[in-house]
Amino acid sequence: DVKVTQSSRYLVKRTGEKVFLECVQDMDHENMFWYRQDPGLGLRLIYFSYDVKMKEKGDIPEGYSVSREKKERFSLILESASTNQTSMYLCASSGGWGNTEAFFGQGTRLTVV
Amino acid sequence: TQLLEQSPQFLSIQEGENLTVYCNSSSVFSSLQWYRQEPGEGPVLLVTVVTGGEVKKLKRLTFQFGDARKDSSLHITAAQPGDTGLYLCAGGFQGAQKLVFGQGTRLTINP
Repeated sequence: DVKVTQSSRYLVKRTGEKVFLECVQDMDHENMFWYRQDPGLGLRLIYFSYDVKMKEKGDIPEGYSVSREKKERFSLILESASTNQTSMYLCASSGGWGNTEAFFGQGTRLTVV
Repeated sequence: TQLLEQSPQFLSIQEGENLTVYCNSSSVFSSLQWYRQEPGEGPVLLVTVVTGGEVKKLKRLTFQFGDARKDSSLHITAAQPGDTGLYLCAGGFQGAQKLVFGQGTRLTINP
């Protein structure tokens, strides 16, 4: 069974903290993505990566950074968490090379207080 | 910015009824996917359509890709409470690695 695993289902962090969200996939996929999901706004792409050490900004990269040191792992970093970053964060992967079918992790619900 | 508009945004119907959800854009897609997301979980891929006019069936769910590859529909026959969830359409563009997602249709099937 293909799997995308996010390190935490629920997180509560304080304003100003540096937050790390981890995602691991076991499908040898080229592409990995971080989205945030908010009611009424759908899925918004934060960053994606199409290869190790490669990254591209999505639609809402401000306040976030990413790291992909190994093919299977893609990390999202909130440099200084703010309350408006309270959201559901979803990691996904896809095979690449024209295959855009996405496999999602279970999501991390982050609350910044 | 390419946009995908889904309608309706919310739908609540009784068990046994039929329903159709729509996904529309002014852009032409090379592929279109439908996902279902249950509360507290990530979206799960239901189907991918790639050819204009293509129809795919998944039990009581019928997916259609428009002839011009700008729109798609999801029809559910005899809806059941287990169909409850958020349905998302997502479009892919030739040569692009990322998808464009619609805002979703939240479907509730009442027993």
